Amino acid sequence: ETGVTQTPRHLVMGMTNKKSLKCEQHLGHNAMYWYKQSAKKPLELMFVYNFKEQTENNSVPSRFSPECPNSSHLFLHLHTLQPEDSALYLCASSQDKKRGTDTQYFGPGTRLTVL
Amino acid sequence: QKEVEQDPGPLSVPEGAIVSLNCTYSNSAFQYFMWYRQYSRKGPELLMYTYSSGNKEDGRFTAQVDKSSKYISLFIRDSQPSDSATYLCAMSAYETSYDKVIFGPGTSLSVIP
Repeated sequence: ETGVTQTPRHLVMGMTNKKSLKCEQHLGHNAMYWYKQSAKKPLELMFVYNFKEQTENNSVPSRFSPECPNSSHLFLHLHTLQPEDSALYLCASSQDKKRGTDTQYFGPGTRLTVL
Repeated sequence: QKEVEQDPGPLSVPEGAIVSLNCTYSNSAFQYFMWYRQYSRKGPELLMYTYSSGNKEDGRFTAQVDKSSKYISLFIRDSQPSDSATYLCAMSAYETSYDKVIFGPGTSLSVIP
């Protein structure tokens, strides 16, 4: 596979469940990102990992917990979510956190519904 | 006032029309401007990237920045049904660091054959 892949593509979970989203990039990049995209709202950056080190978390609630075991894989662990957390969760990667003329590549997203 | 504003649409045009998509912003420090295209059930992909004021052309797409009015536009000439997507504007005051990019909410475009 090429590019940025995300699994699962769709997830429905109850408020008491624990689940994880997975992202994998096959581009040899060093930086990976989690974004939240809600209907009619701008993309919200949640977490940035650069060279496996987390550099930003933008005050995301602790019910979202990221994990980056290596530069190719990124996880988002979910627990005790709220219905307002229902959204499209997008993973992205870039060569480095510093952009310059670099391009950020997005995965297809995981559509999450919290009941 | 929101930092970046964008009419959500939906915008519906006939095939072959010229499409104008726009964003306004409030932060005069923004210098780097981007347009992303997002197809249904896909992630966004970078379409155009411009610095400061002026125009940039790439095929049927032209990005225009007017910093004095805090207004950016994306023009699509000879629009095709394959252009049907949501278009996101994004901008930053910093050349480096993706963590400083602010996105608009997106405009949904439909090009009717």
